[in-house]
Order: sequence, then structure tokens, then C-alpha cells
Amino acid sequence: DAGITQSPRHKVTETGTPVTLRCHQTENHRYMYWYRQDPGHGLRLIHYSYGVKDTDKGEVSDGYSVSRSKTEDFLLTLESATSSQTSVYFCAISVQGKDTEAFFGQGTRLTVV
Amino acid sequence: SQQGEEDPQALSIQEGENATMNCSYKTSINNLQWYRQNSGRGLVHLILIRSNEREKHSGRLRVTLDTSKKSSSLLITASRAADTASYFCATDARGGSEKLVFGKGTKLTVNP
Repeated sequence: DAGITQSPRHKVTETGTPVTLRCHQTENHRYMYWYRQDPGHGLRLIHYSYGVKDTDKGEVSDGYSVSRSKTEDFLLTLESATSSQTSVYFCAISVQGKDTEAFFGQGTRLTVV
Repeated sequence: SQQGEEDPQALSIQEGENATMNCSYKTSINNLQWYRQNSGRGLVHLILIRSNEREKHSGRLRVTLDTSKKSSSLLITASRAADTASYFCATDARGGSEKLVFGKGTKLTVNP
């Protein structure tokens, strides 16, 4: 699967707790993305990164932060999890951003109770 | 807001038939991509068509792009049960950021 690993694959957490999801790539691609997928909404972009320490917001960034201290790792943090953040989260990578194909990880199913 | 919107939301056909899915978008683009997602899995890239291209083929896939109508179509010929999946279009925004924005998808069911 294009050298992308998401961890954990499944997580149940309580409302109000911080949660960090990790995306690790072995492809050395410059661009990394975090999406969430919900029924009726398709995929929505949360944050993306275009280099180490270079990140930008997507369309649903409220309540989320990201960090990229190394090329291979892109972390997504839910600062204080809420039930509305129950979703499936996908990480994606690409060589040249929007002009090239994106490769997706297998997803992380997060449930906030 | 979503840049691309797929139509129909769901499509059910018999094996051997052709399946056509459409995508409409709102702003000028550099390229448009189609992806496939099997249930419970990540998305897989199918094809990319650039704004200066009108048609592209890959195996049983045919993609068209009409920039004047801001629309694209994905045709799967001689469908198979294994083509059952959700299909998404993704667009960028010319002159915009590096965001790649996905539509809500078309769920295709191919009945054996």
C-alpha cells in the first residue's frame, strides 16, 4: 500500500481526552494529508503538509492540530475529542501535491464515547 | 464546501453492462482525478486527466473532461462484480493552494 502506515487502526476514546493519530510513510513524498470520511460527506480535508514544519488548514480543521517534524511522519491531534469527531481518518501522500496522484493509508476508525 | 460532486449517488447494474458516473465542479481546475474505494479500505487512484485533455483511457476505464461545462465522466465498460466499490472524483483549484478536494462519491454495485 505505497508505504503508508496509519496507527492505530482502531481507537475508542472518551470525550475530552486528547488523541494523536500517526501517519508514517517510507516513500519520501513531500506532501501529506489528513482526511476524515463520514457518511453523506465523503472525504473532507482536515490539514495538509507540504514539507517539514510546513502545514496548512483544510476545510474542517477546527478541533484538530498537526505536526510534521520529519518527512516521514505526519501527526494529527484531536486536542479534546468530541463525539462529532467520531469518524474514519485517512492519511494520504503525494509527490507533487494536487498535480499528482495521492496514495492512501488504510484508515483509522476513531470512536469518541 | 465540496469542489466536486458525483452523480448519481448510487448505481446498480448487471455484470457486463457499462457504468457511467459523472462529476461536476465549480471553479477552474488544473486537473481532475478519479479514485476507487472498496468497502473499509483506503482510496486507490484510477486516473488523472489534465485541464487541456478531453479524454483519457486506462484499460476498461474511459474518462472525459468538459471544462466548459465544468464536468467529467467516468465510464467503466464491461463491468464485473469486482468493480463494486465507491468512486470519487477529486479536483484542485487553479491558482489555489495544494489542496485536493474530493466529492461525496458514487456507490456502484455490479450484480453477478
